[in-house]
Amino acid sequence: QVQLQESGPGLVKPSETLSLTCTVSADSIMNYYWSWIRQSPGKGLEWIGYVSEYGTTNYNPSLKSRITISLDRSKNRFSLRLTSVTAADTALYYCSRVRTRQLLFDSWGQGTLVTVSS
Amino acid sequence: NFMLTQPHSVSESPGKTVTISCTRSSGGIASYFVQWYQQRPGSAPTTVIYEFKERPSGVPDRFSGSIDSSSNSASLTISGLKTEDEADYYCQSYDRTNQVIFGGGTKLTVL
Repeated sequence: QVQLQESGPGLVKPSETLSLTCTVSADSIMNYYWSWIRQSPGKGLEWIGYVSEYGTTNYNPSLKSRITISLDRSKNRFSLRLTSVTAADTALYYCSRVRTRQLLFDSWGQGTLVTVSS
Repeated sequence: NFMLTQPHSVSESPGKTVTISCTRSSGGIASYFVQWYQQRPGSAPTTVIYEFKERPSGVPDRFSGSIDSSSNSASLTISGLKTEDEADYYCQSYDRTNQVIFGGGTKLTVL
C-alpha cells in the first residue's frame, strides 16, 4: 500500500517561496504521475499540477507562472515550489499519486497546512 | 478551459437515495473519465467512483456513477443512505491537454 507524506514549513512570509516535499513509500515513482492539490480553508479542491515519472510537467494555468514541480527518483520523492506567495496561497496542500490512464488521484497524503503571513 | 458544476449542498434521510450531479461546461462528458471523491472532515479525499461508474475495492455497492450525454453531466448516486456517508463529494475530470478540474464540491447531509 503506497504511502505519501508531505513535509515543509507551515509558515511562509508574503512574497517568499513556498517549498514542500512529498516522500513516497512502498511504491516506485515509475508508472504514475505525481501531483499537488490544495484546499483553501473551507473551500474546494484546486489542482496545482503534476510531474510524470520522466520529469515532464503539467501545471494549472492560473498558477503556472509561479510553480515548479520536480521529481527526485533517487530519493523517491517529488517537490513543489510556489513563488511570490500571498495570503491567497494559504491552504492545506496535498500530494497525490495519479493513475495516468484515467488521471485518477488514487492515493493521497494527509495534507500539510501552509499559512502565508508576516 | 472548462468547469464542473455541482450543487453546493444536498440533504436526505437515512435509508433514502440521493443523487449528486456534475455538469461539464464544455467538451463532452463522455470524452474524458470522471471520478468522484469523498472527503470527510479532517481527512484527505478518497475515491468512491472512477472511470464514470467503477467502484474501487472496499467501496460499497450503494455508491454508483453514471453519465448523461444529453445534459453533459455525470452523477453520483448513493442509496440506502447511512450517517457515515455525510461528507463532501467532489467530481473530477480533465481535458485534451490533461488539465485537471475538480468540481466545487457538494456537502451531503444525512439527517
